[in-house]
Amino acid sequence: GDSVTQMEGPVTLSEEAFLTINCTYTATGYPSLFWYVQYPGEGLQLLLKATKADDKGSNKGFEATYRKETTSFHLEKGSVQVSDSAVYFCALSYTGNQFYFGTGTSLTVIP
Amino acid sequence: DGGITQSPKYLFRKEGQNVTLSCEQNLNHDAMYWYRQDPGQGLRLIYYSQIVNDFQKGDIAEGYSVSREKKESFPLTVTSAQKNPTAFYLCASNGGPNTGELFFGEGSRLTVL
Repeated sequence: GDSVTQMEGPVTLSEEAFLTINCTYTATGYPSLFWYVQYPGEGLQLLLKATKADDKGSNKGFEATYRKETTSFHLEKGSVQVSDSAVYFCALSYTGNQFYFGTGTSLTVIP
Repeated sequence: DGGITQSPKYLFRKEGQNVTLSCEQNLNHDAMYWYRQDPGQGLRLIYYSQIVNDFQKGDIAEGYSVSREKKESFPLTVTSAQKNPTAFYLCASNGGPNTGELFFGEGSRLTVL
């Protein structure tokens, strides 16, 4: 079946370090891929998305490229800030009415 | 501003009591969803509704019930049959099939005493 696998956390980085959070997916077709962010005590917010192979989603310095050949959608940021501390979820959806989420990766950025 | 409002933000319940979590959206979205979030387990789908007066069970519907009498509202009742109800509950919506991402409320944290 369809699923999303994220790298396990927690991840702890120093401010201005490079961030990569790995996400791979299993899908029978060609889904849209998403990264959501959850700040403490809040709901999820869409961070970025890509709807087809080779698309790059980007927002707030974060990027992810939809790689069909490796079934991956890794999240990257060149220089993290303390305010990026949150839980990050990778997700896929085919039709927009059924979403599959990864288990989330907790990121802590220390000054 | 358009968005999803969940209430209450925090709720405490004694064992054996039913509780209802409210979810209201003013985004004019057709589809609404309830997820449960537990530490280390990500999000699990409880129920979803694609249109008024219709809803479907998700992966963990046992011990929960919903209604969808209005487009804007999708309340979730956690019944006494739910064996481990302490969790963070998230409501979400989108415009329906092929309309893109989910929009989430800020969540309701239920604690059973």
